[in-house]
Amino acid sequence: DIVLTQSPALAVSLGQRATISCRASQSVSISRYNLMHWYQQKPGQQPKLLIYRASNLASGIPARFSGSGSGTDFTLTINPVQADDIATYYCQQSRESPPTFGGGTKLELK
Amino acid sequence: EVQLVESGGGLVQPGRSLKLSCAASGFTYSNYVMAWVRQAPTKGLEWVASISTGGGNTYYRDSVKGRFTISRDNAKNTLYLQIDSLRSEDTATYYCAKDPGITGADYFDYWGQGVMVTVSS
Repeated sequence: DIVLTQSPALAVSLGQRATISCRASQSVSISRYNLMHWYQQKPGQQPKLLIYRASNLASGIPARFSGSGSGTDFTLTINPVQADDIATYYCQQSRESPPTFGGGTKLELK
Repeated sequence: EVQLVESGGGLVQPGRSLKLSCAASGFTYSNYVMAWVRQAPTKGLEWVASISTGGGNTYYRDSVKGRFTISRDNAKNTLYLQIDSLRSEDTATYYCAKDPGITGADYFDYWGQGVMVTVSS
């Protein structure tokens, strides 16, 4: 299985930029497709899709969220961070079955 | 509006069985691959199983093969997960999730609110 590694937590100030990283144990890119996706999960709620295929904003997601990366290294950026963005963020790959998730990065206020 | 509503969870003894349901609405259910994803208490997300649009193809993570059965009823817009021989490690919130692809993109654009399954004697 492809293992995705995320830092457990990131502290950020409101109005600042947050950069959350995800590293895959092997490439999750095929041709021009980068098969990495990002979700937001708030306590007691279901996950919500933010970014699909590394850099595409999901429907209804604010433009302060963006994604980048290819191969094994991917980044979710939130700029500027708002209070409503305090949550846990998961990356997920669909390059190989089974689809796997990172351990999650908890975004905290500094 | 896409809605996925799970039901059927609860407290179950080890070795017993349980069947989860997920009622879908707000989209053409029969056109999309569907999946179950679970999350153990305070843990991360884990894909469990997926099913093709017609139900003829099913896919499972290795740790649940032979014990879990995913199925769907396109006439009732409902997804199911039959869980047999329950183990303590199956304790989790189970989410029904919609795949945005007709053939399976293996990511999930809509999720239900989740249903809790607790396996304990």
